[in-house]
Amino acid sequence: KAGVTQTPRYLIKTRGQQVTLSCSPISGHRSVSWYQQTPGQGLQFLFEYFSETQRNKGNFPGRFSGRQFSNSRSEMNVSTLELGDSALYLCASSPGQAGAEAFFGQGTRLTVV
Amino acid sequence: EDQVTQSPEALRLQEGESSSLNCSYTVSGLRGLFWYRQDPGKGPEFLFTLYSAGEEKEKERLKATLTKKESFLHITAPKPEDSATYLCAVQYGAQKLVFGQGTRLTINP
Repeated sequence: KAGVTQTPRYLIKTRGQQVTLSCSPISGHRSVSWYQQTPGQGLQFLFEYFSETQRNKGNFPGRFSGRQFSNSRSEMNVSTLELGDSALYLCASSPGQAGAEAFFGQGTRLTVV
Repeated sequence: EDQVTQSPEALRLQEGESSSLNCSYTVSGLRGLFWYRQDPGKGPEFLFTLYSAGEEKEKERLKATLTKKESFLHITAPKPEDSATYLCAVQYGAQKLVFGQGTRLTINP
C-alpha cells in the first residue's frame, strides 16, 4: 500500500511569490490535513479537508489556502510569500473517523529568500 | 486553553539505560492520543494510538500508557537507532489534532 506522497520535496521561492504544494493521500483515506513545522513553533495545524470540504482550520492568515479534489488529492497554496513562511510543510491522511491515526508524508521543505 | 505539553524537551541516555517520556494534556472530549517518531528532515512516523485511561500498547522497546491527564512513552534498553524526536498528539472535539513540542531523544553507544 503506497504511503502519503508530497511534491515537490524541496522548493525555493522569492518573497512576494506564491507557491502550490501537492499531497496524494493513502488510497481510501478521505481526510487530508496540512501542517507547518518550524524549529520554534513545532507542528502547527493549518487545515483539514474531508470529502472536498474544509472541516477544520488553524490560526493562519488567509494567505494560506487549500483544496481537495474528488480523488482525495489535496493542494495547499501560499500567496504573497514572506520569509517567515520558510518551513517544512507536512501533509497527513487518515480514514477520517474520529480517533483514527494520521499518516504523514515526507514533507515539502519550502525556503523563502 | 487546550494544551499538549511534552517533557523533557531533550533527553540523553546511554545505550541500555531505560527511561520515560511524558505527554500531559488538558483537553475535553479526548478521541485519541497518538505517539509519533520523527527523524530529521522526515515526516512523523506513526507509533501508537491510545483511546482510554488504562490502555497500554507495546512495540519492540517502546510501551505507551495513558491516564486521564497524561501519557507515558517508556523506552526499555534503548539502542542508538532509537534516537529521534518523539511527538505526542491529541485528537479531540471536531477531530482537530494538536501536537506537543516533542522530546528530542539521543541514545549514546
